[in-house]
Amino acid sequence: GQNIDQPTEMTATEGAIVQINCTYQTSGFNGLFWYQQHAGEAPTFLSYNVLDGLEEKGRFSSFLSRSKGYSYLLLKELQMKDSASYLCAVMDSNYQLIWGAGTKLIIKP
Amino acid sequence: GAVVSQHPSWVICKSGTSVKIECRSLDFQATTMFWYRQFPKQSLMLMATSNEGSKATYEQGVEKDKFLINHASLTLSTLTVTSAHPEDSSFYICSASSREVEQYFGPGTRLTVT
Repeated sequence: GQNIDQPTEMTATEGAIVQINCTYQTSGFNGLFWYQQHAGEAPTFLSYNVLDGLEEKGRFSSFLSRSKGYSYLLLKELQMKDSASYLCAVMDSNYQLIWGAGTKLIIKP
Repeated sequence: GAVVSQHPSWVICKSGTSVKIECRSLDFQATTMFWYRQFPKQSLMLMATSNEGSKATYEQGVEKDKFLINHASLTLSTLTVTSAHPEDSSFYICSASSREVEQYFGPGTRLTVT
């Protein structure tokens, strides 16, 4: 079957760095997405990786290793507003998104 | 950037009534629209995928006669929850994509059935 694994919850301190990992097993691969979702709101797009390596976008970076079925989202200089759930999703061979359960990130002052 | 709107943003209805939720792509033509449901503290669950002008493809376990989806144009899709029951209370989110890989999400509709 298809499976996306990510930690349920993480805690970090304001100003610090946090890495959220995602491992996947899917039928085919057409890219991996990271979304941010604040409580009660819809997801917002953060990043898309389809080739191996690191994609940097401001304070957020996303890494992909297709051979390992692994990705991480790196958040630097954490701010209180970064408290949210972070969803990892993989697009399979049918171009359908397979969603992880999300990682709730708690930022403490 | 691509903007997707949903209406209403929240709705309360009585058990047994029907509710229609609209999803619109405001600045692009959406060849495909997706409807998701999300229960508290759970991930998104895809309900159905619809392409403009054709019948929606429903995921296993989703009743197509209960959740009616119409994708009448390249900018509008509607989801109608028929004969709603309290267990249908959830956060319904649509997303839209053109020929690109990325899906653009609407703000979601919170449905409460009393």
